[in-house]
Amino acid sequence: DAKTTQPPSMDCAEGRAANLPCNHSTISGNEYVYWYRQIHSQGPQYIIHGLKNNETNEMASLIITEDRKSSTLILPHATLRDTAVYYCIVRALYNQGGKLIFGQGTELSVKP
Amino acid sequence: KAGVTQTPRYLIKTRGQQVTLSCSPISGHRSVSWYQQTPGQGLQFLFEYFSETQRNKGNFPGRFSGRQFSNSRSEMNVSTLELGDSALYLCASSLTVESTGRETQYFGPGTRLLVL
Repeated sequence: DAKTTQPPSMDCAEGRAANLPCNHSTISGNEYVYWYRQIHSQGPQYIIHGLKNNETNEMASLIITEDRKSSTLILPHATLRDTAVYYCIVRALYNQGGKLIFGQGTELSVKP
Repeated sequence: KAGVTQTPRYLIKTRGQQVTLSCSPISGHRSVSWYQQTPGQGLQFLFEYFSETQRNKGNFPGRFSGRQFSNSRSEMNVSTLELGDSALYLCASSLTVESTGRETQYFGPGTRLLVL
């Protein structure tokens, strides 16, 4: 079972920041938080991941709370092309192989 | 660098047949994972191969099998197809940088299988 909880859907106005929350209250000390998104009928696209510090890359920012029980993915200026299902995943890296456990994700609709 | 490629992109089979799907990972990547995506069950992990060995396996029947070749390319096979096997089959590759433990997976576009 997925170890994360996300709202099933969210709306965002084009040009505004999209803030996608994720709860992972049972996360272990060696588990990272990963975010992927899947645009309709395409393969999931890697966005960002982090352990305990906030992370930023060219696509998004990841804010992880100090107790690591929740995180927020921030798309700073959402565009129509950001409409997708966003998945938050927690996984350990060592000795876990390549297994990603996907939940139901958040369907983000960016509206003009 | 070219991304993960999967062939064929679309496939139609009938019940009882078998099918083989192919995945070519990103150059230099040694780990290949397979996933099945259906509207009812979402994205589910099938298995993972690393250096030609199955390293991890999901909860799927033995009709689902896979292998990896020395060049890291991978195939998965489904025998005795059932209607419920209709799905998008996704392949993902990762570098497995063992010194840092970073193992970001990059997905291909998928093969859409329809079983009639």
